[in-house]
Amino acid sequence: AQSVTQPDIHITVSEGASLELRCNYSYGATPYLFWYVQSPGQGLQLLLKYFSGDTLVQGIKGFEAEFKRSQSSFNLRKPSVHWSDAAEYFCAVGYQKVTFGTGTKLQVIP
Amino acid sequence: DAGVTQSPTHLIKTRGQQVTLRCSPKSGHDTVSWYQQALGQGPQFIFQYYEEEERQRGNFPDRFSGHQFPNYSSELNVNALLLGDSALYLCASSLWKGATNEKLFFGSGTQLSVL
Repeated sequence: AQSVTQPDIHITVSEGASLELRCNYSYGATPYLFWYVQSPGQGLQLLLKYFSGDTLVQGIKGFEAEFKRSQSSFNLRKPSVHWSDAAEYFCAVGYQKVTFGTGTKLQVIP
Repeated sequence: DAGVTQSPTHLIKTRGQQVTLRCSPKSGHDTVSWYQQALGQGPQFIFQYYEEEERQRGNFPDRFSGHQFPNYSSELNVNALLLGDSALYLCASSLWKGATNEKLFFGSGTQLSVL
């Protein structure tokens, strides 16, 4: 069965600092991987996705993620965090049924 | 261009009651998926509808049922509500492409509270 693990429940970074959110997945074949962001009281917005090809994918809002098959990981990165990035971030895997991780809540301090 | 719209935004029910949630997909989309997001958790897949048929189903009991209409809008029905059904219910729409979910567009959800 497919699954996603986000080991960090909560992360705090200073504005302007770099960010890396961890994601490990379990999937039987070549995974379809996603990162979504959810602001309070809102639905989820897709940041980026990986299906195949270049293992470093670029997304919206300056985010990028790197697929590492050997480590079953798909970590999300941003070189310089803005206060508006404070939200909850979900990693997901799936083809038709998309399985989400439990999320990482990002706090940005000035 | 309207995105995914869900109604109502909030709902309070009591145990044992039945509830119907509604979703209109983004213009041009033909596939609707429903997710349950409990407090502090990630969304969990309930089921997916395409061409008015349930195509995929997650690990939810038969109390959860759905429907898709010819205009692609969808309903989620939950019977015999339990306290544990309290959650944010998210609808996501997409364009069917050989049964993949390349990009899901989510609505803002319906917050269901069961007392």
